[in-house]
Amino acid sequence: DAMVIQNPRYQVTQFGKPVTLSCSQTLNHNVMYWYQQKSSQAPKLLFHYYDKDFNNEADTPDNFQSRRPNTSFCFLDIRSPGLGDAAMYLCATSRTHAETQYFGPGTRLLVL
Amino acid sequence: DQQVKQNSPSLSVQEGRISILNCDYTNSMFDYFLWYKKYPAEGPTFLISISSIKDKNEDGRFTVFLNKSAKHLSLHIVPSQPGDSAVYFCAAIILGFQKLVFGTGTRLLVSP
Repeated sequence: DAMVIQNPRYQVTQFGKPVTLSCSQTLNHNVMYWYQQKSSQAPKLLFHYYDKDFNNEADTPDNFQSRRPNTSFCFLDIRSPGLGDAAMYLCATSRTHAETQYFGPGTRLLVL
Repeated sequence: DQQVKQNSPSLSVQEGRISILNCDYTNSMFDYFLWYKKYPAEGPTFLISISSIKDKNEDGRFTVFLNKSAKHLSLHIVPSQPGDSAVYFCAAIILGFQKLVFGTGTRLLVSP
């Protein structure tokens, strides 16, 4: 089945210790998105790639970076996680910007 | 500035009855609206969508209604089933722009 896969599903890291979350897709979609969702809040877009073109939201902290080495994979790097970065991180893909986004299961990040 | 609002954090409905989930938006530029369903520990799953040129879209037990003049949309689930118990997110997008804007979600509980 074509899908969006996120690994790991749960990630524990220490305050200030870099962490990388991964997302892969078998849908061959052009666009890949990273969202942060905190409890009882709406998912918040951090950035997205259209093919290799990177688009950062204005209010995304510099602590968050992303890489997309190929069509299938996209990574979220948190350089120095703070306690406030504990959240669910959702990856999504869409064929184009104008089409429906399909989400992965998310990675829940805990910062100790 | 919350452009998409779901003012009811939760809704309880009996099995077999109608569930009505509401969503309001403030940006008249939105021209496509989506509903996502989210189970615990999973990513949002696309449910149904509607273009701003329509006022109704139906898919099985799910119907979305759009009232552009009131900037209001609603999701009707008839008949409701216990498996429909989940968090429902309303989302909106301006086609041609990249950003899907989510509401904060409504938790639906369908009791047998």
